Amino acid sequence: EAGVAQSPRYKIIEKRQSVAFWCNPISGHATLYWYQQILGQGPKLLIQFQNNGVVDDSQLPKDRFSAERLKGVDSTLKIQPAKLEDSAVYLCASSPGQLNQPQHFGDGTRLSIL
Amino acid sequence: DQQVKQNSPSLSVQEGRISILNCDYTNSMFDYFLWYKKYPAEGPTFLISISSIKDKNEDGRFTVFLNKSAKHLSLHIVPSQPGDSAVYFCAARYTGTASKLTFGTGTRLQVTL
Repeated sequence: EAGVAQSPRYKIIEKRQSVAFWCNPISGHATLYWYQQILGQGPKLLIQFQNNGVVDDSQLPKDRFSAERLKGVDSTLKIQPAKLEDSAVYLCASSPGQLNQPQHFGDGTRLSIL
Repeated sequence: DQQVKQNSPSLSVQEGRISILNCDYTNSMFDYFLWYKKYPAEGPTFLISISSIKDKNEDGRFTVFLNKSAKHLSLHIVPSQPGDSAVYFCAARYTGTASKLTFGTGTRLQVTL
């Protein structure tokens, strides 16, 4: 079974620029998550999709972050404009959607803001 | 407000001995707990979980214990192996929030020869 695919692996941009991350979940997984992991902290949920609908985006800074999951499969997360505090690893995860099914994570995108 | 806490940033254990990683939580509504393992430059990998209706779950060398009254869980690794060296994250979820996980800050385990 192929895992969660993310790209790019690394991205360096200057503050106020925009950036986008892409995620392809495990085939058949209905639920997709985007997490932000700042150095020294645990992953923090930004947004959760069930198929192509948003379940939880309460911790997404909506003034600069946006995400979509067209056709209920792939997803993109965008930051525009980026701030220094957005430097982090952005992790995508997916799960089948049933209760108590663990989430499977991709390897993440490490974003550095100069 | 850190609802899931891992108070030990790091732990060093000799190969063959027991590793015990601890996790405390404050939200009494949490009813499902997971441990994830993370190697550098990789995403977290699911290790083991436990429902609040149990107090112990075992999978090979890994055992998770849950003490609901103390709001405490621990992960035991016996025997510890060098390949277990990684960062371990405790995570919790509660019914009513779909499958949203709240993670601790992680404990870095180093297993020495």
